[in-house]
Order: sequence, then structure tokens, then C-alpha cells
Amino acid sequence: ETGVTQSPTHLIKTRGQQVTLRCSSQSGHNTVSWYQQALGQGPQFIFQYYREEENGRGNFPPRFSGLQFPNYSSELNVNALELDDSALYLCASSQDPTDTQYFGPGTRLTVL
Amino acid sequence: AQKITQTQPGMFVQEKEAVTLDCTYDTSDPSYGLFWYKQPSSGEMIFLIYQGSYDQQNATEGRYSLNFQKARKSANLVISASQLGDSAMYFCAMRETGANNLFFGTGTRLTVIP
Repeated sequence: ETGVTQSPTHLIKTRGQQVTLRCSSQSGHNTVSWYQQALGQGPQFIFQYYREEENGRGNFPPRFSGLQFPNYSSELNVNALELDDSALYLCASSQDPTDTQYFGPGTRLTVL
Repeated sequence: AQKITQTQPGMFVQEKEAVTLDCTYDTSDPSYGLFWYKQPSSGEMIFLIYQGSYDQQNATEGRYSLNFQKARKSANLVISASQLGDSAMYFCAMRETGANNLFFGTGTRLTVIP
């Protein structure tokens, strides 16, 4: 059974640019949740996708957007990058929106 | 208000000893779930153990057990027979009824000493 995978592993961008992060869910999982983890902090919920629809959102501005595809993989897009967007971005998949979430290895984004 | 509080920024334990990592939570929801995750330096969050608020018994998974005291709103993680590979950040998290997201604490860094 393949676990949650994320790409890329690391990314460096400059302020104002746009970035797309990718996540493949674990086999049999139809729900993907995205979290941002700043240095020294616990992860913070960005949003969740269930059956290709946004199914809950945390306190993040609209420049954070996402997609889920028919195979349940997902993308996180961030527009107009700011220095504070530098963080580890974690994707988690689950069998349904309220089931245990299993995380991928994360994408470390650095904004210069 | 903080939903999850982890008051121990760092803990040290001798190899083969047991260690308790503290977690207190705050919710008015009668139904909720509590989780512990391990995050090694590689960054991946590894699910360890789950406790439902209505579960009568404390959860156990191998060397991990959860000391759940509902009246005190605490859900401490106990790791028995510590191993060098247990050195990592440990996060306590909660999900309330109807919520899809996890609320995480700030974590405890555990270091296992040989």
C-alpha cells in the first residue's frame, strides 16, 4: 500500500511569485487536507478537499487555493507569495473527512 | 483560547526508560477525538495513537499508550522502553465533532539518551 506522497520536496521562490504543490493520497482515501507548519510551530489547517470539492477552510486568505482530481490527488496553489509563506506544507489523506489523517513527507517552501 | 496545550518544549529520557509527554485540551464539544503524531527531523507526521472522548478504556498501540483523564481534559502520551529512534517532535492534536481539521499543539521535542 502506497502512502501519501508530495512533490516537490523543496522549493525556493521569490516574493510575488506563484507556487503549486502536489499531493497523492493513500490508496483508498478520498479526502485530502492541507496544513502549513511554520518553524517551531504545530501545523495549521489550510483547507480540506472531499470528492473534488472544498470541504472546510482554515483562516487563510483567498490567495491560498486548491484542487482535487478524480483520482483524489490534490494541488495547493499559493499566489502572490509573501515572506511569511515560508514553511513546511503538509498534505494528509483520510478515508473520509472525519477519519484519521495520514500525512505525507511535506514540501518545504522558502520565499526570498 | 488555545485548544491544545503542550507545556514541555523539550524532554530527555534514558534509553529503555518510560517517558510521559503532557497534553491538555480545551473544548466544549462533548464528542471529540485526540491524536498523537511523531515528527522526525525528516518532516513527515507519523500517526501514533487515537483516543475518542467516549472511549471507556485508554488507547494503546504497542509501546505507546494514552493516559486519558477526561475530567482534567488531559491526554498524555506514555512511551515505554524508549529507543534511540524515538527522538523526534511529538504533537498532540484534537478534532471536534463535525470539524474536518485537526488542531495541533506546539509540540514537545523528545531526546532519547543512550
